[in-house]
Amino acid sequence: DIVLTQSPVTLSLSPGERATLSCRASQSVSTYLAWYQQKPGQAPRLLIYDASNRAGGIPARFSGSGSGTDFTLTISSLEPEDFAVYYCQLRSNWPRTFGQGTKVEIK
Amino acid sequence: EVQLVESGGGLVQPGGSLRLSCAASGFIFNTYIMSWVRQAPGKGLEWVSGISGSGGSTYYVDSVKGRFTISRDNSKNTLYLQMISLRAEDTAVYYCVRDLVPGTIWGQGTLVTVSS
Repeated sequence: DIVLTQSPVTLSLSPGERATLSCRASQSVSTYLAWYQQKPGQAPRLLIYDASNRAGGIPARFSGSGSGTDFTLTISSLEPEDFAVYYCQLRSNWPRTFGQGTKVEIK
Repeated sequence: EVQLVESGGGLVQPGGSLRLSCAASGFIFNTYIMSWVRQAPGKGLEWVSGISGSGGSTYYVDSVKGRFTISRDNSKNTLYLQMISLRAEDTAVYYCVRDLVPGTIWGQGTLVTVSS
């Protein structure tokens, strides 16, 4: 099975700063990767699919890039509501593995 | 309104069984792959199982193979997860998911607690 490894585990930043989150796959997944945001007590929300496509209603400050084994989620300027946990997910086959998550916390 | 509503969670003893249900509405249920995703308290997301629109193909994470069975009744627009031989490590919120991007939909989750 393909393993997704996210880094860092925790990212401590201030509002207005740029956040760069990484997701690395143990083998190539082409661009079949999605990113989710989860806030406490809520179900995850889809941000990015197919590595770089923003889902409906997602602000332009969120962007995704990468292909093959290395992927990046970038939040260009953190808003207060962006402090949350972010997960990447394999979308190309089964199992639909998730990464272990990156928590973006207020510094 | 497109909606998924889970039910069936609760407290069960180790070794016990439970069946989760997910009622779907607002979309053509039998055209979508569906999945169950769980989240243990304070932990990350774990994909558990998936099923094709017809129900003819099913998929499981290794840790639940032989213990969990995913199924669907397309006439009732309902997804199921039958869980047997439950363990403490199965304790989690279980989410029902319309497994499509970008049109993914998540339910609100149902809590399963395995404890004596």
